[in-house]
Amino acid sequence: EAGVVQSPRYKIIEKKQPVAFWCNPISGHNTLYWYRQNLGQGPELLIRYENEEAVDDSQLPKDRFSAERLKGVDSTLKIQPAELGDSAVYLCASSSGGTGGIEQFFGPGTRLTVL
Amino acid sequence: GQQLNQSPQSMFIQEGEDVSMNCTSSSIFNTWLWYKQEPGEGPVLLIALYKAGELTSNGRLTAQFGITRKDSFLNISASIPSDVGIYFCAGQLGLEKLTFGTGTRLTIIP
Repeated sequence: EAGVVQSPRYKIIEKKQPVAFWCNPISGHNTLYWYRQNLGQGPELLIRYENEEAVDDSQLPKDRFSAERLKGVDSTLKIQPAELGDSAVYLCASSSGGTGGIEQFFGPGTRLTVL
Repeated sequence: GQQLNQSPQSMFIQEGEDVSMNCTSSSIFNTWLWYKQEPGEGPVLLIALYKAGELTSNGRLTAQFGITRKDSFLNISASIPSDVGIYFCAGQLGLEKLTFGTGTRLTIIP
């Protein structure tokens, strides 16, 4: 069974530029999560989807971040414009357990560097 | 956002030694999870704990759910080179989001 797929794996951009990350969850997983992991820290949730509905986006900086999960399968996370402090690893995870989803399976992440 | 406190922050041990690490929170959880993350990869779930006082093993790994529900412990026995990585705890209350710890970096000295 294929795991969570993310692309790109690495992205380097200049500040004020836009950037987008893509995630394809494990087949059949209804719940999708986007996390941000700063250097030396654990992941922090940005947004959680149940199918195509964003059910928890309280930690998403909505002035510059947006996300979508059309058709309830793959998802895109966008930052526009990027700031220096956005440099981090952006992790996508999925689970089949509905809300909460204890067994979350993570992708390899996209490492973003903003110059 | 909130991050749980993990101790120690890093460990340097010799192959074959046992490892102990812990995670503490200022608030209670009813689920504790332990993940391992290797360079360039996402976290992988090692052990899940669902009940206060619970002791659960997965091979050489043993984890405990603290009685106060505010802490958890992970032990690794007879460490091997592939144990190298960063270990994260995570707590969950009800159906709320996971709150991760700051991580313990394990290095094995040859």
